[in-house]
Amino acid sequence: GAGVSQSPRYKVAKRGQDVALRCDPISGHVSLFWYQQALGQGPEFLTYFQNEAQLDKSGLPSDRFFAERPEGSVSTLKIQRTQQEDSAVYLCASSLAPGGMYEQYFGPGTRLTVT
Amino acid sequence: GQNIDQPTEMTATEGAIVQINCTYQTSGFNGLFWYQQHAGEAPTFLSYNVLDGLEEKGRFSSFLSRSKGYSYLLLKELQMKDSASYLCAVRDRNYQLIWGAGTKLIIKP
Repeated sequence: GAGVSQSPRYKVAKRGQDVALRCDPISGHVSLFWYQQALGQGPEFLTYFQNEAQLDKSGLPSDRFFAERPEGSVSTLKIQRTQQEDSAVYLCASSLAPGGMYEQYFGPGTRLTVT
Repeated sequence: GQNIDQPTEMTATEGAIVQINCTYQTSGFNGLFWYQQHAGEAPTFLSYNVLDGLEEKGRFSSFLSRSKGYSYLLLKELQMKDSASYLCAVRDRNYQLIWGAGTKLIIKP
């Protein structure tokens, strides 16, 4: 069956540009998570959706970061006025139950490079 | 603050056994996960412990001691394809996953 997909897989942006990263979770999964992963580090939590509701956005590093999941399925992470420190892999994960009660299934990630 | 500690890198020989340790200090505890991540790929789920003791799944086993804030992942009969990073993650009282930096496991023939 289809897993979590993300697009684009790679994105190069010039400093100051806006970017939009897409996540297609597993069909029927209630929970959706966004993480940021720097090289050689574990994922860092950014934000969590339960269906269309964004229940936790405590990990978003600044107000330049914005996420939405308007119909409770596909989600988009938008970064405005990108900075070099935004360069990282952005991982999306989905889970069947609310609140991450069960294991999370990860997409392949989007590698963002800001030049 | 919340903290997950695991060794940065380990080396083992094909066919041998390796134990990867993880210690944690978190705001509450609602389970511990181990994930495997090959370079450039997404993390994939290996195991989940919420009660003390050993969970066995094929060549992989995971142990948890909540009183000690300690877990380990045991890999037996190592294969070259087991070369990857192994991530320990704890679910805190808010059901948020707190991740360790991962242990890079290098398997030598």
